[in-house]
Amino acid sequence: QSALTQPPSASGSPGQSVTISCTGTSSDVGGYDHVSWYQHRPGQAPKLMIFDVANRPSGVPDRFSGSKSGNTASLTVSGLQADDEADYYCSSYGGSNNMVFGGGTKVTVL
Amino acid sequence: QVHLQESGPGLVKSSETLSLTCDVSGYSISSGFFWGWIRQPPGKGPEWIGSMVHSGTAYFNSALKSRATISIDTSKNQFSLTLRSVTAADTAVYFCGRLFGGDYVAYWGRGTLVTVSS
Repeated sequence: QSALTQPPSASGSPGQSVTISCTGTSSDVGGYDHVSWYQHRPGQAPKLMIFDVANRPSGVPDRFSGSKSGNTASLTVSGLQADDEADYYCSSYGGSNNMVFGGGTKVTVL
Repeated sequence: QVHLQESGPGLVKSSETLSLTCDVSGYSISSGFFWGWIRQPPGKGPEWIGSMVHSGTAYFNSALKSRATISIDTSKNQFSLTLRSVTAADTAVYFCGRLFGGDYVAYWGRGTLVTVSS
């Protein structure tokens, strides 16, 4: 069982938005503004999409946005495209240079 | 662009030692950042194994600390993972990455599947 809880699946039609939740505790998600999100397509290296709750690395479209409230962080993908179909994982700083991950959410573009 | 590539045996016998190497290109390990390993068992989420700074200070997942070692070879610009006394529960895709402390993994390798057989 993963340390952070994500819904196993989410879906939306092209152009719609989908939001994925990531629930932890006050020892990880709720205790630090260090939540990150990764996109993982089969056979490829995972890609950092969001770091420190809401920051996008260079090159990540602004259709991807992150937020946090209490012990739950969220990733929203707006204007869904076929290319967004992938597994998405959240992670959080857990203290003492430790990281914890979520179980992953498979996003399907209908 | 930073590129990481994992290599090592795809099959390890139970009770033996798993050894993997990560070759880094596009960035010198000795210039900074954390370098670490993450694994993902089949059908499960990723699990952070441990990270090391180029100076040698290492941090490990408490569940694996007693069995895991990470080492860095700056002359070859690569770092390695050793996991002792493996069991079937250690079967996973193993990823190497460049980490920003315990905050996030900025760059990942594609991963390599390691199966532990009895």
